[in-house]
This record gives sequence, structure tokens and C-alpha cells, in this order.
Amino acid sequence: TQLLEQSPQFLSIQEGENLTVYCNSSSVFSSLQWYRQEPGEGPVLLVTVVTGGEVKKLKRLTFQFGDARKDSSLHITAAQTGDTGLYLCADVKTGANSKLTFGKGITLSVRP
Amino acid sequence: DAEITQSPRHKITETGRQVTLACHQTWNHNNMFWYRQDLGHGLRLIHYSYGVQDTNKGEVSDGYSVSRSNTEDLPLTLESAASSQTSVYFCASSDLDQETQYFGPGTRLLVL
Repeated sequence: TQLLEQSPQFLSIQEGENLTVYCNSSSVFSSLQWYRQEPGEGPVLLVTVVTGGEVKKLKRLTFQFGDARKDSSLHITAAQTGDTGLYLCADVKTGANSKLTFGKGITLSVRP
Repeated sequence: DAEITQSPRHKITETGRQVTLACHQTWNHNNMFWYRQDLGHGLRLIHYSYGVQDTNKGEVSDGYSVSRSNTEDLPLTLESAASSQTSVYFCASSDLDQETQYFGPGTRLLVL
């Protein structure tokens, strides 16, 4: 059974600071997704990474997929209060019968 | 606009009662999923369906059942509610061959 570990579990920073959080797997990811969940809402997809070494940017968010496809990082530049939320990574079983396995998530709080 | 809805949004019930949580999507997606979210455990898959009349067990399916009689709906039934089933429940859907899952707003269930 694949184990996904996300770190740190909790992070509280001041607005304007940079941060990096991580998602690691005990086995190779098929592909990996990052979701953000705001309080009282369901998760929303941020990005999908597929190829080892891949880097994707979404405004101030930079996602990197490890060369060996067993780890990923999310870097936020100049964090804003709107970045507050739970960040989840998920291993994607690809194909017609796609299914996700989620990590436990990283709770990020950005203070004004 | 297409959407995915869950009802009720909040539910309080007693141990031993049967409870049904509704999930309805208007995207005409083939795939539908039910998760529960608990502190320290992240999102865990309960049941899922890849089409009408298809249902499959996830990692935490004991005490839950689903049925898929049409494309739009996947109701989740707790046969005999237990306090351990107090949680936030999320429904999600995705299209065939698509890896992005779209989540509903969640149902907060309290079993007393």
C-alpha cells in the first residue's frame, strides 16, 4: 500500500514570507495532483504533474515533481492571507477508472 | 453552470439510525466518489462508481453502502450509524479518462 507523507503538518507564517511544503511517497507516483481546500469547502485542483523533474507555475505557486517521481514540493512566494487553507497532495491512478489516494494534508495559516 | 451538490449540509443523528447523504452532479460525469475527512487522517475513500449500476468499495467502506441508478446521483447510506462515523463527508465526480475530480461542499455529520 502506498504511503503519502506531507510535511510539515502545520505552518503559520506572516504575509509576504516565502514557504515550501512537501509530499513524499513510499513508491513511484503515477502522476501527482495538488489540491487546496478552504474552510467549509471541498478541495479544488491546483495542478497535475506527470513527468519526473517537471516544474509548473501558477501565479505565485511553483510546483516541482522529483526526478524519480517519488516526491513533490510546493513553493509559495510572498504568501498572502488568501493562501490560507489545507494543501493536499494526491497520487493519481490514471486511465478510464481514475482514482485518487490523498495525503493527510498541510494546514497553512498566513497572518496579515 | 454545471455543479455538484450535497445534502444535507449538516446532519445530527443518533446511534443505530439509518442515514442517507445525497450527492447530485450535473456534469454528466461517469465517475463518482465518496470520501470522509477526519483530523489526522486526511481524505479517505469510502465507495466509488464508474458508471450506472457499478459500485466499488474503498479503503473505509465498512458500515456504508452506495447505489448508482442514474448518472447524476450517488447516495451514501450509513446502515446503522455509529459515533465513529462522525465526520465530514465529501462527494466528488470526474469524467471518463479525466483525472480531475470536482468536489461538493461537504456534509458535516454528527452521530450522538
